Amino acid sequence: EIVLTQSPGTLSLSPGERATLSCRASQSVSNNFLAWYQQRPGQAPRLLIFGASNRAAGIPDRFSGSGSGTDFTLTITRLEPEDFAVYYCQQYGSSPITFGQGTRLEIK
Amino acid sequence: QVQLQESGPGLVRPSETLSLTCTVSGGSVSSFYWSWIRQPPGKGLEWIGYIYYTGSSNYNPSLKSRVTMSMDTSKNLFSLRLNSVTAADTAMYYCARVAGWTPEDAFDIWGQGTRVTVSS
Repeated sequence: EIVLTQSPGTLSLSPGERATLSCRASQSVSNNFLAWYQQRPGQAPRLLIFGASNRAAGIPDRFSGSGSGTDFTLTITRLEPEDFAVYYCQQYGSSPITFGQGTRLEIK
Repeated sequence: QVQLQESGPGLVRPSETLSLTCTVSGGSVSSFYWSWIRQPPGKGLEWIGYIYYTGSSNYNPSLKSRVTMSMDTSKNLFSLRLNSVTAADTAMYYCARVAGWTPEDAFDIWGQGTRVTVSS
């Protein structure tokens, strides 16, 4: 199975700053089938990005995804208070579907 | 809009069977693929498997020997059974809609989750 490694484990930033989160796969993700989710405390994950770079419905344009093959990035420009949460990447190019271990974005 | 609601016992005894149901409202369970995903306390997400109204399913190899998924289209719900549970199966269990037209894709709609504890 494909192992996804997210870095950093924790990212401390201030509102208004730019966040860059990384997701590296143990092997190439087929068709760049890579998604990103946001999970706030006590809530279910919310789909942000699919197909590596496509925003899901209703997701603000300050969220963007990029990358291909084994290296993917989620970028959040101009952090808002509600953006501080845990972020997970997920690959669905190969079975079984796997998730990264998460990056916690916390307020500095 | 489509909404998902998990239900089932919050406490299951070791070696017994965990049974959960996901009720779909605002849409038909026959229109998409559906999955179960779990999250142990303080940990990350683990895909359990998917089910389709035709009966087609696929499970994570790590759980395959213990998992069964089913669907009741007349009640617009689908279900998860996990047998021979241990403390390692303690987790928040989520049902989710598969976003695309293939069975393994991103998940665009999630239930709120139901917490299951395995303990005697």
